[in-house]
Amino acid sequence: GAVVSQHPSWVICKSGTSVKIECRSLDFQATTMFWYRQFPKQSLMLMATSNEGSKATYEQGVEKDKFLINHASLTLSTLTVTSAHPEDSSFYICSATAGQGNTYEQYFGPGTRLTVT
Amino acid sequence: QKEVEQDPGPLSVPEGAIVSLNCTYSNSAFQYFMWYRQYSRKGPELLMYTYSSGNKEDGRFTAQVDKSSKYISLFIRDSQPSDSATYLCAMSRLSSASKIIFGSGTRLSIRP
Repeated sequence: GAVVSQHPSWVICKSGTSVKIECRSLDFQATTMFWYRQFPKQSLMLMATSNEGSKATYEQGVEKDKFLINHASLTLSTLTVTSAHPEDSSFYICSATAGQGNTYEQYFGPGTRLTVT
Repeated sequence: QKEVEQDPGPLSVPEGAIVSLNCTYSNSAFQYFMWYRQYSRKGPELLMYTYSSGNKEDGRFTAQVDKSSKYISLFIRDSQPSDSATYLCAMSRLSSASKIIFGSGTRLSIRP
């Protein structure tokens, strides 16, 4: 099956710094990538949808200037958390889809755990 | 009201039991219904999907969708300790580029 990787798997940063998380589709070209956030014992909440070469579409309540998303190629999307604060500590998960097809063809990465101290 | 409601559990059953997991939803526009399994600190993995109403079986897993009641279920037969995980229901309106709405997840534990 299709594989999506994320890097790093775990990161600790100090309050006020920025952190970049990478999401890669390893064996397919991802026309659309999604970024989710999951707090402990809660469900995945979609943050934004990005299409290759276009600006990301952010969900209501998600600050686009704080969570910068770049989808520069068909195999790579990045999420940068700028000026991170402890409340940004969460599990960030990306998913990718090859475009035309059914909803279930959205492949999830293993997640990145961000801890802001 | 949340678009998708799911009992968070935790649910603990003995090995070999039949497990029933359920979700209700409010948006009648949902057409695709999925169940994901998520182990601790890992990304979700797709277990089953169903388009519109009906049943679907895959090994020990059966997914049911009742659109008239806005109710979906996942049954696990002959449950195994390795089935212990969080199970997330999810649904979407259209294609794979469409937003997926997840339930809050049910934590399941299978006792040996």
